Amino acid sequence: DAKTTQPTSMDCAEGRAANLPCNHSTISGNEYVYWYRQIHSQGPQYIIHGLKNNETNEMASLIITEDRKSSTLILPHATLRDTAVYYCIVRLQGAQKLVFGQGTRLTINP
Amino acid sequence: DTGVSQDPRHKITKRGQNVTFRCDPISEHNRLYWYRQTLGQGPEFLTYFQNEAQLEKSRLLSDRFSAERPKGSFSTLEIQRTEQGDSAMYLCASSLPATNSPLHFGNGTRLTVT
Repeated sequence: DAKTTQPTSMDCAEGRAANLPCNHSTISGNEYVYWYRQIHSQGPQYIIHGLKNNETNEMASLIITEDRKSSTLILPHATLRDTAVYYCIVRLQGAQKLVFGQGTRLTINP
Repeated sequence: DTGVSQDPRHKITKRGQNVTFRCDPISEHNRLYWYRQTLGQGPEFLTYFQNEAQLEKSRLLSDRFSAERPKGSFSTLEIQRTEQGDSAMYLCASSLPATNSPLHFGNGTRLTVT
């Protein structure tokens, strides 16, 4: 699976959009980008995934660059409950397991 | 709530004792995964089942660790002769059989070995 690079930590003001970047420059054509988050003392929570088109659901939007070498997770109106560690993961199509990195610790400030 | 259920949530044991954790996946999820997470690190893959078959095991899964899923529903993870280095959060996840189905995680069992 391709390696991902994320900033160690980020801050965002409550009510603003939180934009979390992820670099995956070695991604191959059949690898998907997944995003999970983990709130303290809970298991990781699935957010969204995509291959090359932008994706949106009730939680977030995923923007993947045209060359697929990077992506951004957007939380449109961050709340205090969005404070968590966010993991960007690249997963080979058809692969079963997910390989987690260190993630980005996002802190939403009042 | 019909999410992944793990029991117990916390376990404190003395070094050398055996412990067993249980995971109940989301119904209709035939794939089940075990991960381990230590403080400040991302979860690390341990093993994966499809129905009752254990299809992949990480090198992290030493001989003291054994996982089972006898009827293809719930799973157990046993650690024999626990060591202090086994202290961690043990996470279970499940997924549908469809390609690229996301994994859904439980809230884990936190093990402390004294």
